[in-house]
Amino acid sequence: DTEVTQTPKHLVMGMTNKKSLKCEQHMGHRAMYWYKQKAKKPPELMFVYSYEKLSINESVPSRFSPECPNSSLLNLHLHALQPEDSALYLCASSPASGASSYEQYFGPGTRLTVT
Amino acid sequence: GDSVTQMEGPVTLSEEAFLTINCTYTATGYPSLFWYVQYPGEGLQLLLKATKADDKGSNKGFEATYRKETTSFHLEKGSVQVSDSAVYFCALIKIFNAGGTSYGKLTFGQGTILTVHP
Repeated sequence: DTEVTQTPKHLVMGMTNKKSLKCEQHMGHRAMYWYKQKAKKPPELMFVYSYEKLSINESVPSRFSPECPNSSLLNLHLHALQPEDSALYLCASSPASGASSYEQYFGPGTRLTVT
Repeated sequence: GDSVTQMEGPVTLSEEAFLTINCTYTATGYPSLFWYVQYPGEGLQLLLKATKADDKGSNKGFEATYRKETTSFHLEKGSVQVSDSAVYFCALIKIFNAGGTSYGKLTFGQGTILTVHP
């Protein structure tokens, strides 16, 4: 099973709302990632968790707050977003030790629109 | 720093035509290389990978060979179908090790839009 699931599939929120994106994997991977993808562009890395600890924050604004409550789940809490934050948010997972290539498996994404 | 360059698109082909999408990279060391495919409205799917020089990755009729001498990883398919219409991303990975754990940082090319007509 190489499935990463994400909910919701679509989200529309106002600039004063608080919402959360959820990601789940059951591949036993201990590294999980959040990416942001704008139309016709490659994904941009936002955060990396390895063994439930934040390993990389790519200078993401504090209105995005990641959380990794356990080895299977990854959340992204959103607050006071701007219209330019509208994008496809992708979650991915990979092994975190003992692998040959550490390839990442992506979820289907959450299409976020900020109004 | 590391970088990946893909041929500019979009690429438009007729069904059953031969496909080549060029990909070259710049990196220190010997990174693993990947092709990801993104169908309209979906996330990225890992299409194929190669972890060392001269490795050939293959999946669903697509192939790519890791060429160290030319720092290339070109994607090929002998006969494309309408269902292959998608965006294709070439990528390399750099592995970071910290405190006994590892994670990868992907560097993507800009993507190539492929449209296949019946």
